[in-house]
Amino acid sequence: EAQVTQNPRYLITVTGKKLTVTCSQNMNHEYMSWYRQDPGLGLRQIYYSMNVEVTDKGDVPEGYKVSRKEKRNFPLILESPSPNQTSLYFCASSSQGVSPNEKLFFGSGTQLSVL
Amino acid sequence: GDSVTQMEGPVTLSEEAFLTINCTYTATGYPSLFWYVQYPGEGLQLLLKATKADDKGSNKGFEATYRKETTSFHLEKGSVQVSDSAVYFCALRWSSASKIIFGSGTRLSIRP
Repeated sequence: EAQVTQNPRYLITVTGKKLTVTCSQNMNHEYMSWYRQDPGLGLRQIYYSMNVEVTDKGDVPEGYKVSRKEKRNFPLILESPSPNQTSLYFCASSSQGVSPNEKLFFGSGTQLSVL
Repeated sequence: GDSVTQMEGPVTLSEEAFLTINCTYTATGYPSLFWYVQYPGEGLQLLLKATKADDKGSNKGFEATYRKETTSFHLEKGSVQVSDSAVYFCALRWSSASKIIFGSGTRLSIRP
């Protein structure tokens, strides 16, 4: 089954404790992206990747890191989480990253709480 | 800058009512336009799309027409069901495809 898998679904942590949210897709997609969803703000793009070893900042990259060493994986890293990073996070992927018509496939989300 | 503006929610309707969720955009050029739907506890999934002016996207009884003159992509459904209760996001994407902009989302609740 074609899918984007995020882990964990729920995560509670404390300020400053490094964490990683994993994202994996089994569709051989070139394009992958991370979003955060906050009430009243919709989805905001954090980072995206057009292909392996190619990553770029979205609208809200501060406090986050990503890597794309393999095509299927795109982990989101918070080196020193802060309470303002409490949010619902989504990973997404699509094929043919240069085409505007390709739909995004989303993971089920990770609810992160930073205390 | 480029942006997507959706009508604020929540929107509450009775079953079989007519639905309109407004979406307008500001963008240079001619992006592709999308409606995504998010059911409770799930990620977003594509509902419909339109890639050029006057195109109509449709799926599951929902429709939206790409109106270049009014820079709008309003979502409509003639008769809503309880199962349509969800959050709906309007989005646009350019030919460079690196950036996708989402609206703030509209929560829809349908009463039996």
